[in-house]
Amino acid sequence: DGGITQSPKYLFRKEGQNVTLSCEQNLNHDAMYWYRQDPGQGLRLIYYSQIVNDFQKGDIAEGYSVSREKKESFPLTVTSAQKNPTAFYLCASSRQDTEIEQFFGPGTRLTVL
Amino acid sequence: GEDVEQSLFLSVREGDSSVINCTYTDSSSTYLYWYKQEPGAGLQLLTYIFSNMDMKQDQRLTVLLNKKDKHLSLRIADTQTGDSAIYFCAEIEGSASKIIFGSGTRLSIRP
Repeated sequence: DGGITQSPKYLFRKEGQNVTLSCEQNLNHDAMYWYRQDPGQGLRLIYYSQIVNDFQKGDIAEGYSVSREKKESFPLTVTSAQKNPTAFYLCASSRQDTEIEQFFGPGTRLTVL
Repeated sequence: GEDVEQSLFLSVREGDSSVINCTYTDSSSTYLYWYKQEPGAGLQLLTYIFSNMDMKQDQRLTVLLNKKDKHLSLRIADTQTGDSAIYFCAEIEGSASKIIFGSGTRLSIRP
């Protein structure tokens, strides 16, 4: 089955620790995206990547880092510099950066204690 | 910058029609979208409309676009309990690849 997987579904971390969220797709999509969702708010773009070994900051990149070493994978690291890391994180991909539809993963809920 | 606005909540009776409204600011948007998010899940594309269209119908879903007023609506006919979800309006930013999402409208169905 083709799709996007995110793991884990739930993640708990202590304040001050870095944590990496996984996102993998087997759709052969070029572009991948990370969004943050907070209650009562829309999705806000953290980082996106249009091609392997290249990525751009979104609207709220501070305190986050990404890598894109493989086409299938786009991990997101939430660093200790992120002031408010508790949120629902969604990964998405599309065939190319101008493709109509972004396909979303099931999300990871990160709670920082 | 670009902005997409929608009301946060909508409650309708089962079997009635639901109409979810959205306004956007980027007049150069080529596509406008409606996504559905069920609890604890990712977003699923419901439908989209090209900016040169006024209406699109797909089974129980009707999308209306008023470009002059930059207003987009989603009508769900014969609303069912399975339609309970958050519905996001979104536009693709001008010449870029970014999709701008609204805050989402939580649709609840009452018997």
